[in-house]
Amino acid sequence: IAGITQAPTSQILAAGRRMTLRCTQDMRHNAMYWYRQDLGLGLRLIHYSNTAGTTGKGEVPDGYSVSRANTDDFPLTLASAVPSQTSVYFCASSPRTGDTEAFFGQGTRLTVV
Amino acid sequence: GENVEQHPSTLSVQEGDSAVIKCTYSDSASNYFPWYKQELGKRPQLIIDIRSNVGEKKDQRIAVTLNKTAKHFSLHITETQPEDSAVYFCAASNNTPLVFGKGTRLSVIA
Repeated sequence: IAGITQAPTSQILAAGRRMTLRCTQDMRHNAMYWYRQDLGLGLRLIHYSNTAGTTGKGEVPDGYSVSRANTDDFPLTLASAVPSQTSVYFCASSPRTGDTEAFFGQGTRLTVV
Repeated sequence: GENVEQHPSTLSVQEGDSAVIKCTYSDSASNYFPWYKQELGKRPQLIIDIRSNVGEKKDQRIAVTLNKTAKHFSLHITETQPEDSAVYFCAASNNTPLVFGKGTRLSVIA
């Protein structure tokens, strides 16, 4: 692994199903983030983690949960998917929160039908 | 919390002309202002950033200016080329997760 990796790259999901998007980084970054990207709305923060063991809510957290058991991994779970969660999801990481470059994963295109 | 407004949402320029994208922010304590470029189907990538103790920064054809009093910052691209066509996002942070503008789709017409 080099950098930050997301899986899967794309997924079609039936409404009501549970889904976990995976994100792994090997840069030993303390901070990690989940954003969703929707046309015309830019990148909106879902959840973030300043360091392993801590998480926080972003602008659009409802329907999503995260965990940060270790430095490298930051999975995003949709407990019961709804069509409005159809989006492109980007995971990102940075050495510390806020004032440093954020490195983005390649994105996960999720379609909820 | 922070709110970032970005204009215009779309911009078309002739190859060789300059392009300017403007952003305003609401939190006067914000101290970090990066710009990201996202090509079609790709991830956002940092192209330039500026901190609150600097008024202007330049990197080849790209420059960013910051006006802390007015709470706005701008991206300037000179001598545009077709490969500059992409969506550009500004962002702001006060040692918090980045808050992004809604993006500007730049088209450079050859």
